[in-house]
Amino acid sequence: DGGITQSPKYLFRKEGQNVTLSCEQNLNHDAMYWYRQDPGQGLRLIYYSQIVNDFQKGDIAEGYSVSREKKESFPLTVTSAQKNPTAFYLCASSNEGSSNQPQHFGDGTRLSIL
Amino acid sequence: QKEVEQDPGPLSVPEGAIVSLNCTYSNSAFQYFMWYRQYSRKGPELLMYTYSSGNKEDGRFTAQVDKSSKYISLFIRDSQPSDSATYLCAMITSYGKLTFGQGTILTVHP
Repeated sequence: DGGITQSPKYLFRKEGQNVTLSCEQNLNHDAMYWYRQDPGQGLRLIYYSQIVNDFQKGDIAEGYSVSREKKESFPLTVTSAQKNPTAFYLCASSNEGSSNQPQHFGDGTRLSIL
Repeated sequence: QKEVEQDPGPLSVPEGAIVSLNCTYSNSAFQYFMWYRQYSRKGPELLMYTYSSGNKEDGRFTAQVDKSSKYISLFIRDSQPSDSATYLCAMITSYGKLTFGQGTILTVHP
């Protein structure tokens, strides 16, 4: 089955700890995205990547980092600099990064603070 | 003012009702329009994708776009309890910028 796999489904972070969220896609899509979803605020773009070894900051990149070493994978690290990390994190991909193609989403990772 | 405005609801309707979900936007550069459905603790699922003014139908769902009024709608006919979810509108400009609405929470009760 083609799709986007996010893991883990639930994640807990201690104070001062970095955590990494995994996102893998087998859709052969060029572009990948990370969003944060908070109640009543919709989806906000954290980072996106249109091609391997290249990525750009979105609207709320502070406290986050990403890498894109392989086309299939786009992990997101939530660093200790992110003071309010509790949220639902969604990874998405699309066929072409800079065009009008719709994005397809994984089932998310819910991050909470211990 | 937000570029895309969507009434968060919640909206509660009886089974079988016709549901109307709406978004307005202010940026005339938006050219492509989508509706996503999101069940609790799941990712958004693409329902409808359209780029022209007018109606697009898919089963019980109809997407309507009025570019002159900067207004889009999603109609659900014969609504079912399984339609209970959050519905997100989304729009893309001609240069690839994607913006989501806040989402409308819909409950269809038996």
